[in-house]
Amino acid sequence: QQQVKQSPQSLIVQKGGISIINCAYENTAFDYFPWYQQFPGKGPALLIAIRPDVSEKKEGRFTISFNKSAKQFSLHIMDSQPGDSATYFCAASKIVWRLTFGEGTQLTVNP
Amino acid sequence: EAGVAQSPRYKIIEKRQSVAFWCNPISGHATLYWYQQILGQGPKLLIQFQNNGVVDDSQLPKDRFSAERLKGVDSTLKIQPAKLEDSAVYLCASSLITKGEAFFGQGTRLTVV
Repeated sequence: QQQVKQSPQSLIVQKGGISIINCAYENTAFDYFPWYQQFPGKGPALLIAIRPDVSEKKEGRFTISFNKSAKQFSLHIMDSQPGDSATYFCAASKIVWRLTFGEGTQLTVNP
Repeated sequence: EAGVAQSPRYKIIEKRQSVAFWCNPISGHATLYWYQQILGQGPKLLIQFQNNGVVDDSQLPKDRFSAERLKGVDSTLKIQPAKLEDSAVYLCASSLITKGEAFFGQGTRLTVV
């Protein structure tokens, strides 16, 4: 019940394209859904987060879409840039600071 | 604002040896976490401190791992004795209790040979 499943494992997108990463969770008690970005040799950094009372949140080129009934949420990166190339992790928690992470998606944006 | 500091950045030890990692959280952050990130996987919470008390250590292998947070600031994570499967990046993170967003350090990459 604590699992968060993430797909795809890896993603290659052309510059200017849209990157989409999906996550599914099991525990309906989860109430906080962040996305983290991790560059090689660095710790994860919070990118954007959403709570289940809204279906979408947008910050710049990054958007989270949330479907409570399907227990799924996704990250959309619009106008993807080579600098967005990193590993992205979705996460979920019941209490906001106890995070269960997905397996990660390695995004490569080709110039 | 200074970030979460961790040391060392890299450590190579032989199996059955002991090792310790150090973390200095962001000033004022009451909550401190240690995560284990195995290559190709997401971070897994090992232990969470609130000030100097343990809140959650349910996923900490207590037969070989120990952690402490003296005076509610710095923290150390120890492994004794290390096993090959302990090879991973150990991440420290901290957060303000009221906000919850966790800020991660760069991690310590441990290789057990």
